[in-house]
Amino acid sequence: DGGITQSPKYLFRKEGQNVTLSCEQNLNHDAMYWYRQDPGQGLRLIYYSQIVNDFQKGDIAEGYSVSREKKESFPLTVTSAQKNPTAFYLCASSPSGQISYEQYFGPGTRLTVT
Amino acid sequence: GQSLEQPSEVTAVEGAIVQINCTYQTSGFYGLSWYQQHDGGAPTFLSYNALDGLEETGRFSSFLSRSDSYGYLLLQELQMKDSASYFCAVIFSGGYNKLIFGAGTRLAVHP
Repeated sequence: DGGITQSPKYLFRKEGQNVTLSCEQNLNHDAMYWYRQDPGQGLRLIYYSQIVNDFQKGDIAEGYSVSREKKESFPLTVTSAQKNPTAFYLCASSPSGQISYEQYFGPGTRLTVT
Repeated sequence: GQSLEQPSEVTAVEGAIVQINCTYQTSGFYGLSWYQQHDGGAPTFLSYNALDGLEETGRFSSFLSRSDSYGYLLLQELQMKDSASYFCAVIFSGGYNKLIFGAGTRLAVHP
């Protein structure tokens, strides 16, 4: 079955530690995205990538980093510089060359930092 | 900048019809999407309007008026499983594919 997988579903870290969230897709999509969702709020774009080895900052990139070495994978690192990292993180993808009105989302990773 | 406004909560009963409105302010507007998200789950795509008018997909319909910077999602024959959050999102055509999401409307369907 084609889709997007994110792991783990729940993640707990101590303050000051970097943590990497996994995102893998087998939809053969070129574009991939990372969003952050806080309670009662919409999704905010952290980073996006249109093609391998290229990515762009979204609206709230500070304290985060990404890599896109393979088409299928777009891991997100939450660094210790992120002031308020506890949130629900969603990865998404869409076919390239199209306006991404339809994005496919993974199940999300709920990160708690104490 | 870009901003979207939608009601925070809507309540309805099974079998009823509910309309969730969305107004937006954005430059480079391309179209309006709607997504559904159940608690703890991933958002799933419902519909997209690039042109003015009504798009119908089963029990769900979506409307767009570009001149009024306004759209809505219409849910008919409500079922309990429709209880979820609904997000409108605008396509920003600033040179890359980007969705800007509203804060979401939480729909509670009661028996």
